[in-house]
Amino acid sequence: DAGITQSPRHKVTETGTPVTLRCHQTENHRYMYWYRQDPGHGLRLIHYSYGVKDTDKGEVSDGYSVSRSKTEDFLLTLESATSSQTSVYFCAISELKQQVDTQYFGPGTRLTVL
Amino acid sequence: GNSVTQMEGPVTLSEEAFLTINCTYTATGYPSLFWYVQYPGEGLQLLLKATKADDKGSNKGFEATYRKETTSFHLEKGSVQVSDSAVYFCALSRSGGATNKLIFGTGTLLAVQP
Repeated sequence: DAGITQSPRHKVTETGTPVTLRCHQTENHRYMYWYRQDPGHGLRLIHYSYGVKDTDKGEVSDGYSVSRSKTEDFLLTLESATSSQTSVYFCAISELKQQVDTQYFGPGTRLTVL
Repeated sequence: GNSVTQMEGPVTLSEEAFLTINCTYTATGYPSLFWYVQYPGEGLQLLLKATKADDKGSNKGFEATYRKETTSFHLEKGSVQVSDSAVYFCALSRSGGATNKLIFGTGTLLAVQP
């Protein structure tokens, strides 16, 4: 258990509204990630962070922004939600174990945009 | 580019049957390889990993061997149980930017019947 929680766990919102998802970790990991999971695509990286205020884009970053003002929290914001952003969102941290950079995942947030 | 290809599911087996889920990859250099499992309604859990050619990862009766000559990392289990029913994801880790990034396959649903 990597001590990762996500909130909310479920959310239904309307097109055009802003949405913020929160990832919280308790073990002071430097690297944090946001993925989305969609049928037929597996998981795809949205954004990641390598420290407080240090973030970078992943492969599907359009329409999303992130912030990391403290080590334990990594926020994902949809500025104006669209139906194509209906998905399950997973946060992850990475930890060096047995000399391998290994990622561990939170429980997920199911977002529905109507 | 880097990619992971998994066999299409669903895979339906009877309890105690032998399981193979095929995974092949395309990557430059020497990526680390992973299998993750997702039980219904949950996040992804690391199942096993391997970091170099001919390494065998194993956990909970599952095994996978890193085969560089065939660029494969097939998941096997000798005798599946109903509790193994889940979605299985193969992934590779590639370095780039500030951290290693995971590239996932599309997932394979395994259904084990009593």
